[in-house]
Amino acid sequence: DAGVTQSPTHLIKTRGQQVTLRCSPKSGHDTVSWYQQALGQGPQFIFQYYEEEERQRGNFPDRFSGHQFPNYSSELNVNALLLGDSALYLCASSLGTGFTFGSGTRLTVV
Amino acid sequence: GESVGLHLPTLSVQEGDNSIINCAYSNSASDYFIWYKQESGKGPQFIIDIRSNMDKRQGQRVTVLLNKTVKHLSLQIAATQPGDSAVYFCAEGGGSGGYNKLIFGAGTRLAVHP
Repeated sequence: DAGVTQSPTHLIKTRGQQVTLRCSPKSGHDTVSWYQQALGQGPQFIFQYYEEEERQRGNFPDRFSGHQFPNYSSELNVNALLLGDSALYLCASSLGTGFTFGSGTRLTVV
Repeated sequence: GESVGLHLPTLSVQEGDNSIINCAYSNSASDYFIWYKQESGKGPQFIIDIRSNMDKRQGQRVTVLLNKTVKHLSLQIAATQPGDSAVYFCAEGGGSGGYNKLIFGAGTRLAVHP
């Protein structure tokens, strides 16, 4: 049973560019959450998608947006990248409570 | 405001000893708490959780204790092994944030020495 799959695993982008990260949830899960984890810190909640809609959002600017597809997979988009956006981006899927995390996408903005 | 913090950023133990990792939370309305283990290059891995109607829960080699009076959470690992070396996070759910998001602390690094 595949767990949460994220792609790509690593990414380098230039300041001002846009990036799209992808997540496939664990089989049977219908909800996807995205977290940002800066180096040496705990993950910070970005937003959660359920039934193809953003259900809840954390304290992140509008440059961060997402999408959920009918097969429950999800994308995280970040526009106008800043150096401070460099982090590990984690996707977590769930069915009710009980979150399963992927291994993340390491984004480096230069 | 809401916050989940940890008392010790780094914990070093000898193999075979018991480890205790502590966590303080500030939102008394939170009613769901989880411990995660994160190894280098990987995402957080669920260890054990506890709801606020309990004060203790045991798993395999791990025990979580919840003290709601002082808003304190701890993770006890029995007979710590080198494979336990990782960063451990406590996370909080429920409360004003609901169950859709988790609030994580900064983490404690556990280093197990042979």
